[in-house]
Amino acid sequence: GNSVTQMEGPVTLSEEAFLTINCTYTATGYPSLFWYVQYPGEGLQLLLKATKADDKGSNKGFEATYRKETTSFHLEKGSVQVSDSAVYFCALIVSGGYQKVTFGTGTKLQVIP
Amino acid sequence: DADVTQTPRNRITKTGKRIMLECSQTKGHDRMYWYRQDPGLGLRLIYYSFDVKDINKGEISDGYSVSRQAQAKFSLSLESAIPNQTALYFCATSRPGKETQYFGPGTRLLVL
Repeated sequence: GNSVTQMEGPVTLSEEAFLTINCTYTATGYPSLFWYVQYPGEGLQLLLKATKADDKGSNKGFEATYRKETTSFHLEKGSVQVSDSAVYFCALIVSGGYQKVTFGTGTKLQVIP
Repeated sequence: DADVTQTPRNRITKTGKRIMLECSQTKGHDRMYWYRQDPGLGLRLIYYSFDVKDINKGEISDGYSVSRQAQAKFSLSLESAIPNQTALYFCATSRPGKETQYFGPGTRLLVL
């Protein structure tokens, strides 16, 4: 079956620090990969995605590269802000038939001034 | 205005009570989903619906039922609530052939 493994949190960083949140996956077929973000008191929203190997998704200064050889999709940001404090979910979906999304367990990020 | 809304946002109930959580969307999407979120477990799919006449069980449907009253409305019911159903519940929508899901703000449910 499909699965997503994320690094456990919480992750606490100072403002302007470099962020990496690791994500690895196993999947049958060729998945599309996503990062969703959940701000306090809100639902999840799409942050970025990549649909094939070597694609790079980017948004709001965040980036992630689809690495098929290492089955990874690590999230990075060069300089985090307090407003980036949230829970980040890595997810995958395999096309064909019912497109069930498999989510990781989420990583909480806290950025302190 | 929010595209996916959920009511209520918070609910406290007692063991054995029947409750209903409601979801409405103005995105015009055919597909709707109910998830629950528990600490350390991520999101797990309860039920999903591809259209008004197509409803399917997800990975943790026991103890839950759903109703798709219209394209825009998808309700989740707990027939007899139990404490381990205490969780954060999310509704989501998507379009056929499109992979991105759009989430509501969530309903925080506490079963005493």
